Amino acid sequence: SQQGEEDPQALSIQEGENATMNCSYKTSINNLQWYRQNSGRGLVHLILIRSNEREKHSGRLRVTLDTSKKSSSLLITASRAADTASYFCATATINDYKLSFGAGTTVTVRA
Amino acid sequence: EAQVTQNPRYLITVTGKKLTVTCSQNMNHEYMSWYRQDPGLGLRQIYYSMNVEVTDKGDVPEGYKVSRKEKRNFPLILESPSPNQTSLYFCASSPQPTGVNQPQHFGDGTRLSIL
Repeated sequence: SQQGEEDPQALSIQEGENATMNCSYKTSINNLQWYRQNSGRGLVHLILIRSNEREKHSGRLRVTLDTSKKSSSLLITASRAADTASYFCATATINDYKLSFGAGTTVTVRA
Repeated sequence: EAQVTQNPRYLITVTGKKLTVTCSQNMNHEYMSWYRQDPGLGLRQIYYSMNVEVTDKGDVPEGYKVSRKEKRNFPLILESPSPNQTSLYFCASSPQPTGVNQPQHFGDGTRLSIL
């Protein structure tokens, strides 16, 4: 079953702008992870945020988690052409050993 | 170099002809899993393994088999492939048995076309 759902499905921005995408999920989670996928390649892990955390940063990436709303957001600041990719959220539910991915947000950064 | 290696990267085959996609990791990871990726559906987990000889079903296990005889290898077997198994397949691994609590390391994918 698909636990996470990303919004929007696609996003086009100018280089230098910020990109924000959201992920909503349905059941209680242990952690939420964000991944990037460049065209035709495997997924690359970006950030893992645990259910007791509210915000994490990694370089130009900022992830927030609101467990009361069952939602997360990924912010990419000062975007670059190399940020063009699909971004996926994935949730790990409590007492489960499966990882559930959303359908992804496709981000295009225009030069 | 730490990596997850899948073979083959591309395969076109016919309905009913048994095939195996191999996955090997060199990081001594306990947890390994297989996903399929289809347009508009994201990644869906097929099977996962928490350790040698320990495997369990993911969300879409029908038509697939796996085995985990050695820690480093986790092959995906399609005994009688059908066209609805045409997809992009990914293998992933992570260090601990409860692998979903850590970042997953993904292979580069295997594109299967079943005619």
